[in-house]
Amino acid sequence: GDSVTQMEGPVTLSEEAFLTINCTYTATGYPSLFWYVQYPGEGLQLLLKATKADDKGSNKGFEATYRKETTSFHLEKGSVQVSDSAVYFCALSDYTGRRALTFGSGTRLQVQP
Amino acid sequence: EAQVTQNPRYLITVTGKKLTVTCSQNMNHEYMSWYRQDPGLGLRQIYYSMNVEVTDKGDVPEGYKVSRKEKRNFPLILESPSPNQTSLYFCASSLSSATPDTQYFGPGTRLTVL
Repeated sequence: GDSVTQMEGPVTLSEEAFLTINCTYTATGYPSLFWYVQYPGEGLQLLLKATKADDKGSNKGFEATYRKETTSFHLEKGSVQVSDSAVYFCALSDYTGRRALTFGSGTRLQVQP
Repeated sequence: EAQVTQNPRYLITVTGKKLTVTCSQNMNHEYMSWYRQDPGLGLRQIYYSMNVEVTDKGDVPEGYKVSRKEKRNFPLILESPSPNQTSLYFCASSLSSATPDTQYFGPGTRLTVL
């Protein structure tokens, strides 16, 4: 079945540092890929998505590129802020009747001033 | 404002006492779904609904029931809750059942079963 693997956290960075959160996936077919963010005490919000190979999703300074050859969708940001502290979930959705999102286990990011 | 709402946000109950968590969306979305979030496991789908009167099991349906009598509402029912159902629950919806697209999540319901 489908699966998503994320790097374990927490990831602790200083403000303005470069961020990479690794995500790899296993899926039959050609899934769409997503990054969701969960701020403390809130629900999940879509951060960015990519629907086909070599697509780059971007939002709020975050980027991720759909790499079919390495089955990866790593999240990057050039300069993190304290307000980016949250839990980040990588997810995929494939073209099945169920259309569930398959999530990774989440990576907690802590940004220190 | 387009949103998914859940009630209650927090609930503490005892084993065996039936409860319902409500979910409502105001975006005229076809697809709705329930997930549970547990530490180290990410989110796992409990049940989903492709449209009114169309529901089906997700990955972890045991101990749960759902119904979809109206397009906007998708309640989650625990008829006899047990401590292993202590979790954070999210309802989600998306516009179309036809293709994978963005899912909008509610704020979550934290359930504790004693």
